[in-house]
Amino acid sequence: DQQVKQNSPSLSVQEGRISILNCDYTNSMFDYFLWYKKYPAEGPTFLISISSIKDKNEDGRFTVFLNKSAKHLSLHIVPSQPGDSAVYFCAASAQGSNYQLIWGAGTKLIIKP
Amino acid sequence: EPEVTQTPSHQVTQMGQEVILRCVPISNHLYFYWYRQILGQKVEFLVSFYNNEISEKSEIFDDQFSVERPDGSNFTLKIRSTKLEDSAMYFCASSEWGLAGDEQFFGPGTRLTVL
Repeated sequence: DQQVKQNSPSLSVQEGRISILNCDYTNSMFDYFLWYKKYPAEGPTFLISISSIKDKNEDGRFTVFLNKSAKHLSLHIVPSQPGDSAVYFCAASAQGSNYQLIWGAGTKLIIKP
Repeated sequence: EPEVTQTPSHQVTQMGQEVILRCVPISNHLYFYWYRQILGQKVEFLVSFYNNEISEKSEIFDDQFSVERPDGSNFTLKIRSTKLEDSAMYFCASSEWGLAGDEQFFGPGTRLTVL
């Protein structure tokens, strides 16, 4: 039951360019979406979130876009930096679920110098 | 900066043995969670805990699992009789409020290996 899907297991981007990570979901009850970043041997670290009442949220180099009709969201990182190399997880929560996070499989982002 | 801590970092156990994984959430947080990630698979929700009781649990969280907040700082996950398929990375998380979209802060994880 893949309610949250990240179809790209990995993505390689040149330093300084834009990284775009994609996420699709199937459950229309989801009303919050979060992006987490994970380095090896560490727990996930929160990056940015977006409510379903918005279509864009920006925080510094990170912007998340939400297209509710397509059940699709994306994380844009610009400009990409070497320290951005990590696994990025898309997660979703639904009101009434006590806010358990449902996770995508993750996308490994590699920033090339 | 406050952080969630977990001990041990790696636990090796024999099948059928009981294990207790420990977590110290951030001190002013009220909601606590356990997730696990089997190698190569997704992060999966196990359980959420608030006000000294389980508020939600997944299908994975069967009778072999239990959680407890034995004192004001620790939050534990017990697996009564471990199985090979319990081998995974177990993450504890906490949040200040249980609001939708509320950031959950994760610990570094405990790697459980069941032999």
